[in-house]
Amino acid sequence: EAGVAQSPRYKIIEKRQSVAFWCNPISGHATLYWYQQILGQGPKLLIQFQNNGVVDDSQLPKDRFSAERLKGVDSTLKIQPAKLEDSAVYLCASSLEQGGFGTQYFGPGTRLTVL
Amino acid sequence: AQSVAQPEDQVNVAEGNPLTVKCTYSVSGNPYLFWYVQYPNRGLQFLLKYITGDNLVKGSYGFEAEFNKSQTSFHLKKPSALVSDSALYFCAVRDGWGGGADGLTFGKGTHLIIQP
Repeated sequence: EAGVAQSPRYKIIEKRQSVAFWCNPISGHATLYWYQQILGQGPKLLIQFQNNGVVDDSQLPKDRFSAERLKGVDSTLKIQPAKLEDSAVYLCASSLEQGGFGTQYFGPGTRLTVL
Repeated sequence: AQSVAQPEDQVNVAEGNPLTVKCTYSVSGNPYLFWYVQYPNRGLQFLLKYITGDNLVKGSYGFEAEFNKSQTSFHLKKPSALVSDSALYFCAVRDGWGGGADGLTFGKGTHLIIQP
């Protein structure tokens, strides 16, 4: 079974530029998550999708971050404009089961460096 | 609000000795608890989870964890450590009363170093 795919793996941009990350979840997984992992910290949830609907985006900085999952499969996370403090690894995860007891499977992440 | 504490930044264990990585949690309702491992430049790999039932949970690579409700702890254990177990370990929790929003809250991680 193929895992969660993410691209690109690495991205370096200047502050105030925009950037987008892509995620393809495990086939059949209806729930998709984006997490931000700053160096030395645990991952922090940014947004959760159930199919193509947003379930939780309470920790997403909506003035600069946006995410979509138009067809209920792939998802993109965008930052515009980027700030220095956005330097982090952005992890995508997916889950088959609903209700919170399901296992979340993580992709390899995209490491973003903002200069 | 839910939270996780991993009190040790680093744990050092000699190969062949038992290991324990500590985790305590705080949630309003029933806890769903998870352990993940992260190797350099790789995503998080699932080790095990506690949802309900037996307090001793067995997972991948010989790891197990014990749920202790009175002490609000979920420590990760392994009877005999291997050098290949050296990695960054994360404990995570989700409140069972969270409704549809079921993102995990992670601890800051514990570096496990197994010395040959």
